[in-house]
Amino acid sequence: EPEVTQTPSHQVTQMGQEVILRCVPISNHLYFYWYRQILGQKVEFLVSFYNNEISEKSEIFDDQFSVERPDGSNFTLKIRSTKLEDSAMYFCASYPGTASYEQYFGPGTRLTVT
Amino acid sequence: KNQVEQSPQSLIILEGKNCTLQCNYTVSPFSNLRWYKQDTGRGPVSLTIMTFSENTKSNGRYTATLDADTKQSSLHITASQLSDSASYICVVIRSYNTDKLIFGTGTRLQVFP
Repeated sequence: EPEVTQTPSHQVTQMGQEVILRCVPISNHLYFYWYRQILGQKVEFLVSFYNNEISEKSEIFDDQFSVERPDGSNFTLKIRSTKLEDSAMYFCASYPGTASYEQYFGPGTRLTVT
Repeated sequence: KNQVEQSPQSLIILEGKNCTLQCNYTVSPFSNLRWYKQDTGRGPVSLTIMTFSENTKSNGRYTATLDADTKQSSLHITASQLSDSASYICVVIRSYNTDKLIFGTGTRLQVFP
């Protein structure tokens, strides 16, 4: 069964460094998302992406964040200058565009900023 | 404000027992409600999706109910298994903003032998 994959599974970085989190959505899906979950807290929406552009973003998704679909298969989340409070699990999700509206989540990347 | 609240926050039951998790939401206008299972360190996996007109939906030992009038939903787990130990998250979607899932805080379920 096709699934969303994410790499790396765990990323440790120093404050101020740039990180890129990678996701391979399910092929033939049209909508892509990033979510984050700070330890012990609920999952929060960051951004949605469709037709090669951002369709919606939350207040969390400030200028430090960017997303890209560089090659038609990968979907990346870049954090330009990481802060301690960026430490969280980051989940990628994709959705085929059907009426079920069901998003399929990847296993997540644990980002630790020291 | 669009919010999703769940109770209890955590729950411990013995293997083989049943349990019911609760979800109350203030999201409007409502499109659909989902229950997800999230194993520790993993992404959420969908269990059920319910639209406004559906009152109940089952997926194996999981049965979800929805009362759109009172804006309440429940997830009933029958004959619990050790593998049911996970967080169960209620997610609500608004009808004009289907991209943005609104997550509840989750119920942490632990099943002991």
